[in-house]
Amino acid sequence: GDSVTQMEGPVTLSEEAFLTINCTYTATGYPSLFWYVQYPGEGLQLLLKATKADDKGSNKGFEATYRKETTSFHLEKGSVQVSDSAVYFCALRGRQATSGTYKYIFGTGTRLKVLA
Amino acid sequence: GAGVSQSPRYKVTKRGQDVALRCDPISGHVSLYWYRQALGQGPEFLTYFNYEAQQDKSGLPNDRFSAERPEGSISTLTIQRTEQRDSAMYRCASSLLAGAPDTQYFGPGTRLTVL
Repeated sequence: GDSVTQMEGPVTLSEEAFLTINCTYTATGYPSLFWYVQYPGEGLQLLLKATKADDKGSNKGFEATYRKETTSFHLEKGSVQVSDSAVYFCALRGRQATSGTYKYIFGTGTRLKVLA
Repeated sequence: GAGVSQSPRYKVTKRGQDVALRCDPISGHVSLYWYRQALGQGPEFLTYFNYEAQQDKSGLPNDRFSAERPEGSISTLTIQRTEQRDSAMYRCASSLLAGAPDTQYFGPGTRLTVL
């Protein structure tokens, strides 16, 4: 079945450092890919998405490119801030072959801690 | 406007009791999803609805779990004869469109603890 694998955390960086959080996926067909963020004490919220190969999603200085050849959707930010400290989840939305319905699959999450 | 709301926010129950968790989606949103999230893990899909129709319930762990959305708005996830392994955060999400890879808006979750 479909799956998402993301790098284990925690990731600890100094403010203004470059961030990469790796995400790879396994899916049949052409899934849509997402990054969600969960700030402390809050629910999940969409950070960015890409719906087809080579699309780049971007938001709040974060970006990720849908790479079908490497089945990856790595999250990057050029200069992190303390306020970026959160848990980041990679997810895919894939169509189920048997039922034809869509299902979201989430990774286990990567905790980011940014130090001032 | 109002986001997705869930109630109760916290539920502590004894093993063997039934619980009902409520989700109130954003008004007008067609799709509604239920997830279970264990500590340190990502959300795990349980089931979802388009309007009042349950589209996929393949993620429900067993027949003690059921969900309904009778009028295409509020949804209830019911767990019968709860067990300690049911303890988790239960999250609800809604999205405006049914067919497209639309943004899901998550509620704050219900933390269920089964003693």
